[in-house]
Amino acid sequence: NAGVTQTPKFRVLKTGQSMTLLCAQDMNHEYMYWYRQDPGMGLRLIHYSVGEGTTAKGEVPDGYNVSRLKKQNFLLGLESAAPSQTSVYFCASSYGRNTDTQYFGPGTRLTVL
Amino acid sequence: QQQVKQSPQSLIVQKGGISIINCAYENTAFDYFPWYQQFPGKGPALLIAIRPDVSEKKEGRFTISFNKSAKQFSLHIMDSQPGDSATYFCAARIYGQNFVFGPGTRLSVLP
Repeated sequence: NAGVTQTPKFRVLKTGQSMTLLCAQDMNHEYMYWYRQDPGMGLRLIHYSVGEGTTAKGEVPDGYNVSRLKKQNFLLGLESAAPSQTSVYFCASSYGRNTDTQYFGPGTRLTVL
Repeated sequence: QQQVKQSPQSLIVQKGGISIINCAYENTAFDYFPWYQQFPGKGPALLIAIRPDVSEKKEGRFTISFNKSAKQFSLHIMDSQPGDSATYFCAARIYGQNFVFGPGTRLSVLP
């Protein structure tokens, strides 16, 4: 049981480049989330999904897109990366929205030059 | 107000001492208050949580104190150990909505 995994662990992009971050969970959770973590800002929700084929905007969705084609996977895309998107990105999952515990992945450190 | 304030930003404690981290909120609709622990290079993990119908919850060396009237809650780490050195986040949630996280406190426990 791997829990929540994220790939890649590190990535450096140039401004304007695109990339996709992959999150996978093997706990059969319905809900999945993408957060970004910046110094002094805590965790801010980018997008989330309440089930396969659904996505919704969080607190800071601009510049990002997501897809949930399979229940176990949640993809975060950056179409045209900007230096302001330099951050550590965490994926999380939970059984339901009102389930108390969210399980986090190990994070992806993204630098946009 | 969907915000959770957290203090201090960083904390240095001697081994064996008590670490105290405080959080405050405005929205009285919050009904669940967890604390997450994050070690360097790792994702946050749930440490302990409380609901507003109790004033204190203890799990081992970790205690949450909750003051509903003051809209504040705090994490106390008794007998702090170097292995407790991590970043701690408080959070809050309204039933049916997403979590709101505090900015985090970096705790360093000196040996």
